[in-house]
Amino acid sequence: GESVGLHLPTLSVQEGDNSIINCAYSNSASDYFIWYKQESGKGPQFIIDIRSNMDKRQGQRVTVLLNKTVKHLSLQIAATQPGDSAVYFCAENRGPAAGNKLTFGGGTRVLVKP
Amino acid sequence: GAGVSQTPSNKVTEKGKYVELRCDPISGHTALYWYRQSLGQGPEFLIYFQGTGAADDSGLPNDRFFAVRPEGSVSTLKIQRTERGDSAVYLCASSPTGPNEKLFFGSGTQLSVL
Repeated sequence: GESVGLHLPTLSVQEGDNSIINCAYSNSASDYFIWYKQESGKGPQFIIDIRSNMDKRQGQRVTVLLNKTVKHLSLQIAATQPGDSAVYFCAENRGPAAGNKLTFGGGTRVLVKP
Repeated sequence: GAGVSQTPSNKVTEKGKYVELRCDPISGHTALYWYRQSLGQGPEFLIYFQGTGAADDSGLPNDRFFAVRPEGSVSTLKIQRTERGDSAVYLCASSPTGPNEKLFFGSGTQLSVL
């Protein structure tokens, strides 16, 4: 989840395939995680969230996996569609000691090829 | 429209000028947040309001930046003596009660300082 400046990591995926986007976090006190999707010219749009007492949560075509042992979060998108093309951000709440702020990672660009 | 509304969507100003950016949160949301997003990066926290008060302003970069929320609803982010480095998208978000829940973002204000 480190920022990479102007060069976002990019995931190219064929339409209909599954996508997996990964995010690493460093703070073991983080207790709440969110995935956001951002399309060009728009604000981040909520996709799915998970709290630290869970390791998996499913939504419509999306699944979030949380591995607290290695501090890793992933977003799986099933049957990727052209409308899924966007930048995806993971965000973590680092707990009361860090002010309970939602802190964003650097983002991954997903390009869906028809 | 029941979402977070930000005005203007675009603001072009000259170095040294004063600007105000407005945010209308979702009705009934007590928590309001300002983030700043530079090109190719994730949103960075600026300030968080709980009701009328700034609960956490640790992300404001310097004293040229100030934000208010006088009636616990609409918020204004104010930037004095703008610098070219202030150019970014300024995002506002709101949530029902506080930071340990999902944030709903507006589309942002693109600020360009010439």
